[in-house]
Amino acid sequence: DSGVTQTPKHLITATGQRVTLRCSPRSGDLSVYWYQQSLDQGLQFLIQYYNGEERAKGNILERFSAQQFPDLHSELNLSSLELGDSALYFCASSEGQGLDTEAFFGQGTRLTVV
Amino acid sequence: SQELEQSPQSLIVQEGKNLTINCTSSKTLYGLYWYKQKYGEGLIFLMMLQKGGEEKSHEKITAKLDEKKQQSSLHITASQPSHAGIYLCGAHVTGGTSYGKLTFGQGTILTVHP
Repeated sequence: DSGVTQTPKHLITATGQRVTLRCSPRSGDLSVYWYQQSLDQGLQFLIQYYNGEERAKGNILERFSAQQFPDLHSELNLSSLELGDSALYFCASSEGQGLDTEAFFGQGTRLTVV
Repeated sequence: SQELEQSPQSLIVQEGKNLTINCTSSKTLYGLYWYKQKYGEGLIFLMMLQKGGEEKSHEKITAKLDEKKQQSSLHITASQPSHAGIYLCGAHVTGGTSYGKLTFGQGTILTVHP
């Protein structure tokens, strides 16, 4: 158990809908990262937050947004869902925001868009 | 094209055999991370290398980062079925301080036959 909790574990929704994925980081970790993993794209970095502020942005679509709350949990919002958004979405957390701290991954949320 | 190239893409070995997985970049790697993933599950942190020539070992797994910091190898000695899974290398290839821009290779699928 990495200490990073993601909910829900599975989500099935229809095209055009909006969903929210939740991540609770390890106790004491200030950074949260979101990744999307699909068979054809591999593991893609979406966005990083540190202590409530956005720190880095990757290939995140405009239909997607995220935030980190004062209690440090984070939510990833996916809207106007398309079939191609079906993937595993991972959250990771680390104590710091630099290269000298390891990141711990949650078990992921499997999103299926039908 | 991938910033990080892993080879081989898949590997099937007999239990007890040694094996090596490589991770290569055309750019300097600022921090190299190895993770293991079981299909559909979260990533498990294995090792982090930062200095050129650095080598780390954990149980039967050894990882090295070459002097030029453009290639890393992961070596498993006397493989066991428990080593089976997907091995991913991740690195911050473009410099900077944001851990969040961690780029991953496509992964190597390891199968160990008993």
